[in-house]
Formats: sequence, structure tokens, C-alpha cells
Amino acid sequence: SQKIEQNSEALNIQEGKTATLTCNYTNYSPAYLQWYRQDPGRGPVFLLLIRENEKEKRKERLKVTFDTTLKQSLFHITASQPADSATYLCALDRGSTLGRLYFGRGTQLTVWP
Amino acid sequence: DGGITQSPKYLFRKEGQNVTLSCEQNLNHDAMYWYRQDPGQGLRLIYYSQIVNDFQKGDIAEGYSVSREKKESFPLTVTSAQKNPTAFYLCASSIPNAGSNYGYTFGSGTRLTVV
Repeated sequence: SQKIEQNSEALNIQEGKTATLTCNYTNYSPAYLQWYRQDPGRGPVFLLLIRENEKEKRKERLKVTFDTTLKQSLFHITASQPADSATYLCALDRGSTLGRLYFGRGTQLTVWP
Repeated sequence: DGGITQSPKYLFRKEGQNVTLSCEQNLNHDAMYWYRQDPGQGLRLIYYSQIVNDFQKGDIAEGYSVSREKKESFPLTVTSAQKNPTAFYLCASSIPNAGSNYGYTFGSGTRLTVV
């Protein structure tokens, strides 16, 4: 079965620094890898999608990399702000016609002033 | 604005009772999903549906049932056979198959508690 690990349950950084979150996977190689943000008591919100043939994708202060050799994705938030504090989820799509995602447990990010 | 509406936000179930969680979307998405989230665990797939009148079991379907009579609606019933139903339930929809840049759209969730 697909296994997805996010590097740590919690990450605390100072405002203005770059937050780096890690997502490692085993078994099947995903066709797509997605990142979501989840605030307490709310549903996840889609942030970025990266395809297996893409090395990097950016959106404003967010950057995602995808290394299929290492079976790893890195998610970066530059110039972090307290408002970035949330849980970030990694999800894999194996690219089948079913379209289902496999989710990691998430990393809780806290940005302190 | 388009989106997914889940109701109720909070639900209390007595032992041996069936309850139904509502999920409605106006995004014109073909695919819909139900996930369960427990503290310290990732989202686990209960059921999913690619088209109307068709659905498949996910990884933890036991004790749950669904229907997909309309494209917009995908209700989840938690039956008395589900022994540990207390959890946060999330409904999502998407444009299935390769090529989508938009990921899943999630509802705001229903928190179910057994009393």
C-alpha cells in the first residue's frame, strides 16, 4: 500500500525565515503530488500541484520541489508570517483514472513573531 | 460562489443509531469523496464516486454507506455497525483523471461525537 511520511509533526520557526516541510513516499511513484493547508476545525485548502516530470513549481511565497529519485517533495514558505501557521498536508495521486489521493498525516507549522 | 456544503457542522449520535451526513456541491465536479480524520492520523478514504449512481469502497468503508443519486449530492450514513465513529468527516470533490491543476475542493467538515 502507499505510504507517505511527513518529516515531523510540528515545526516552529521565527517570522521572516523560510519554512521547509518534507514529504517522503514509498512504493508506487505518484503522477502528481499536492500540498494542502488545513486550519483547526476546517477542511483542507488546495495550495499547489506538481507533476512527476516537473522539478519545481512556485506560487507567490510558496515553492514545491519533486525528486522522484529520492521519492521526496519539499514545500517551502519564504518570508514566513504568523498567518502561515497551520497544518500542511502532502497528498499523492498515482495518476489512475480513479483520481483518489493518499494523504500524509501533516506537519503543524507555527510561525512566531 | 461555487463550493461544497457539509451539514451539520456538529452531530451527536447515540449508541446503536444511524446518522446521515450531508454533502452538496455546486462546482459541477464529477468525482466526490468522503474522508475521515482522526487526531494524529492522515485523512483516510471511506467511499468515493466518479459518476452518478456509481461508487466504490475506500480503505475504511466498513460501517458506512453512501448514495449518489444526483451529481451534486453524496450523503454518508454512519451505521450502528461502525464501532468507533467519533471523528471529523470531510467531503471533497474534484475533476477526476490526469490534468487537473485544481486539486480537491473540501467542505468545512462535520464533527461526529458518540454520546
